[in-house]
Amino acid sequence: QKEVEQDPGPLSVPEGAIVSLNCTYSNSAFQYFMWYRQYSRKGPELLMYTYSSGNKEDGRFTAQVDKSSKYISLFIRDSQPSDSATYLCAMDSSYKLIFGSGTRLLVRP
Amino acid sequence: DAGVTQSPTHLIKTRGQQVTLRCSPKSGHDTVSWYQQALGQGPQFIFQYYEEEERQRGNFPDRFSGHQFPNYSSELNVNALLLGDSALYLCASSLYLGQGEQFFGPGTRLTVL
Repeated sequence: QKEVEQDPGPLSVPEGAIVSLNCTYSNSAFQYFMWYRQYSRKGPELLMYTYSSGNKEDGRFTAQVDKSSKYISLFIRDSQPSDSATYLCAMDSSYKLIFGSGTRLLVRP
Repeated sequence: DAGVTQSPTHLIKTRGQQVTLRCSPKSGHDTVSWYQQALGQGPQFIFQYYEEEERQRGNFPDRFSGHQFPNYSSELNVNALLLGDSALYLCASSLYLGQGEQFFGPGTRLTVL
């Protein structure tokens, strides 16, 4: 079993939809949780960085962490075609990152 | 601020050869971590350098080695290349042993024939 599980998708939604992306994990020691966006053949871009449980909002993006369920989510409001990318969740394990395999998102105009 | 830079962008090698990849961290950052990303997978941690020493290592063989220079830039070396080494190699920079946010460069795409 992988430490971090993420549905690979692809997830296809119409423009303007609310997108929900999720990851589950097995290691209760994880304290820091991140979401990265990766466009094709590019490096990952940090979107959200959160500590412990709770919510964090940045523009159209909201990250949620539920440590009791070992479950994290990223919500994208008013999705745009430019949001089409692979979204990677990552967790900090003694300052090295453990990634999910990524979810491909396609936002249709 | 130039952000994290990596060179070269693309590289094609044959099995058994050796390769060196380079990374310059974001201004003000002193820690460099290297990751390997196979097609369709998330990045896998290779190792981390701080104060010119390897501080942590993932599950990669000794064929993978690195170096950090006094200006915090870093190199990743891979010897005796295998077909399975074909991947996107990513460098991430951060402060003090990877505490806090890690910012990635654009990567070097290595193809081994």
